[in-house]
Amino acid sequence: DIQLTQSPSSLSASVGDRVTITCRASQGIRNDLAWYQQKPGKAPKRLMYATSTLQTGVSSRFSGSGSGTEFTLTITSLQPEDFATYYCLQYNSKPLTFGGGTKVDIK
Amino acid sequence: QIQLVESGGGVVQPGRSLRLSCAASKFTFSGYTMHWVRQAPGKGLEWVALITYNGFREYYADSVRGRFTISRDNSKDTLYLEMNSLSAEDTAVYYCARGTQSFDFDDWGQGTLVTVSS
Repeated sequence: DIQLTQSPSSLSASVGDRVTITCRASQGIRNDLAWYQQKPGKAPKRLMYATSTLQTGVSSRFSGSGSGTEFTLTITSLQPEDFATYYCLQYNSKPLTFGGGTKVDIK
Repeated sequence: QIQLVESGGGVVQPGRSLRLSCAASKFTFSGYTMHWVRQAPGKGLEWVALITYNGFREYYADSVRGRFTISRDNSKDTLYLEMNSLSAEDTAVYYCARGTQSFDFDDWGQGTLVTVSS
């Protein structure tokens, strides 16, 4: 099974900050990586797929990059509605696996 | 806006069974792979199972293989998860999610809580 290691597991940031979350895969997954945002008590929401393709309707302050085994999600100019937990997902091979999550909270 | 509505959750004793349902609407259900994903209280997301659009192929997480069965009824636009030999480790919110051609998922239901407890 492919393991995904997300870092950091949590971070504190201020409105307007630039935030970067990393997801490392235990083996190459081409660009078969998606990012999801989850707010408390809510279902996750897809932000990004195929590493860097923005989900329709998602703000362009979110961007994704990487390939192979190392991937990043960047949020430029963090907004109040961005405080949430973020998960990466690899769908290159089954079983599909998620990273452990990164909780972004207010500094 | 597509709709996915899970039902069937509740409190069940260890060793017992439970069947979850996910009613789909506002999209052509029979054209999509479907998934179940779960989240234990205060924990991260765990993919559980997927079934292809025509029901011909199923895949499972190691943690549920042999105990859980995913199925679908395209005539009823409904996805199912039959869960047997439940244990406390299966306590979670269970989400159904619509798959994409690449096997990730783009839309989720609101989830249904399954609590395994004596």
